Amino acid sequence: DSGVTQTPKHLITATGQRVTLRCSPRSGDLSVYWYQQSLDQGLQFLIHYYNGEERAKGNILERFSAQQFPDLHSELNLSSLELGDSALYFCASSSGTGTEGGYTFGSGTRLTVV
Amino acid sequence: AQTVTQSQPEMSVQEAETVTLSCTYDTSESDYYLFWYKQPPSRQMILVIRQEAYKQQNATENRFSVNFQKAAKSFSLKISDSQLGDAAMYFCAYRSAASGYALNFGKGTSLLVTP
Repeated sequence: DSGVTQTPKHLITATGQRVTLRCSPRSGDLSVYWYQQSLDQGLQFLIHYYNGEERAKGNILERFSAQQFPDLHSELNLSSLELGDSALYFCASSSGTGTEGGYTFGSGTRLTVV
Repeated sequence: AQTVTQSQPEMSVQEAETVTLSCTYDTSESDYYLFWYKQPPSRQMILVIRQEAYKQQNATENRFSVNFQKAAKSFSLKISDSQLGDAAMYFCAYRSAASGYALNFGKGTSLLVTP
């Protein structure tokens, strides 16, 4: 157990729907990062939150949004889902914002859009 | 933008032998971190080893070591005494302030370990 908790582990939904992925960071970590892993795009950075504030955006679609709550858990919202959104979505956490080391990853949420 | 290139999509090694996975990166920065992550069939991303760019000494973690050539922008991973449990996808990654501290990953190298 890495200490980073992601729920649900698996999600199957239809095109056009909206889903919410949840991440609880490791105790004491203030930063949460979201990544998407797909067969064709590899591992892509989506967004970074630090202590409730958005810090950096990567290749995140406008249909996707995220937030980090006061208790530091984060949610990634995916709307108007398309078949191409099927992927493994990872959350990772770290203790700060700097290059103090590698992140700790959660076990991921496998999203299948049918 | 920083790019990370892993030129070996697949590698194979026999148990107890040594294998080296290659990684090159492109950056104009001087302060950054490099990482190797392992992703076994369980899909969990596991940090194997990290290297700070300002450190000349190559990082080592048990059977895993790196050969960091800053001028050549090369960061290879050596796995000694390979074990069946080392079979996984290995990703090289780069991280810096300019990247917003996000990890930029290579495409990965699939490592097969044969008995």
